[in-house]
Amino acid sequence: DTGVSQNPRHKITKRGQNVTFRCDPISEHNRLYWYRQTLGQGPEFLTYFQNEAQLEKSRLLSDRFSAERPKGSFSTLEIQRTEQGDSAMYLCASSLGTNSNQPQHFGDGTRLSIL
Amino acid sequence: AQSVTQPDIHITVSEGASLELRCNYSYGATPYLFWYVQSPGQGLQLLLKYFSGDTLVQGIKGFEAEFKRSQSSFNLRKPSVHWSDAAEYFCAVAPGSARQLTFGSGTQLTVLP
Repeated sequence: DTGVSQNPRHKITKRGQNVTFRCDPISEHNRLYWYRQTLGQGPEFLTYFQNEAQLEKSRLLSDRFSAERPKGSFSTLEIQRTEQGDSAMYLCASSLGTNSNQPQHFGDGTRLSIL
Repeated sequence: AQSVTQPDIHITVSEGASLELRCNYSYGATPYLFWYVQSPGQGLQLLLKYFSGDTLVQGIKGFEAEFKRSQSSFNLRKPSVHWSDAAEYFCAVAPGSARQLTFGSGTQLTVLP
């Protein structure tokens, strides 16, 4: 069990640029989640995959955000035309099973800073 | 919609003292309940979880939590705090049929030597 891996750990970009983050879940986990955490707050749910299917999206996920999980393995989260308000820690989590009583395991996150 | 309240933004305790972090939730039924800990610049580590059964659950690092249905609470406790426990603690809930966690805003724990 190598844990959930996220890359890059930090990303600094100028406003208006596009950014992409990658998450590699624990290998046997079929569920993958993205959360966003701003300073002084708890994580907020963005979206969730079961295998390759994106099953839920939060209203926080504007049309500038897109997430994919091709082949049900790693996932990418892309933000287009970044804005100052996108500055946050983006956390990925994965879990095993079809019931929500399976705990989610989190990666160390990607911290995004918009200049 | 479910919500989680952690009323204490910041708690300071001396090393060796006991600790209790409060968590209240709002949800129509009994949700699944979790406590996570986050060190600076890191992700979240699961301390313990409650799904059903015994209302006192044991977790890692000597932590325990008690589910009280009548008070809609799930408070985290530790009898003797260590300096390494300094971190931010998050309570979270997940409705039985939903997929995402709803987190509280966290409690920052400072441990004095």
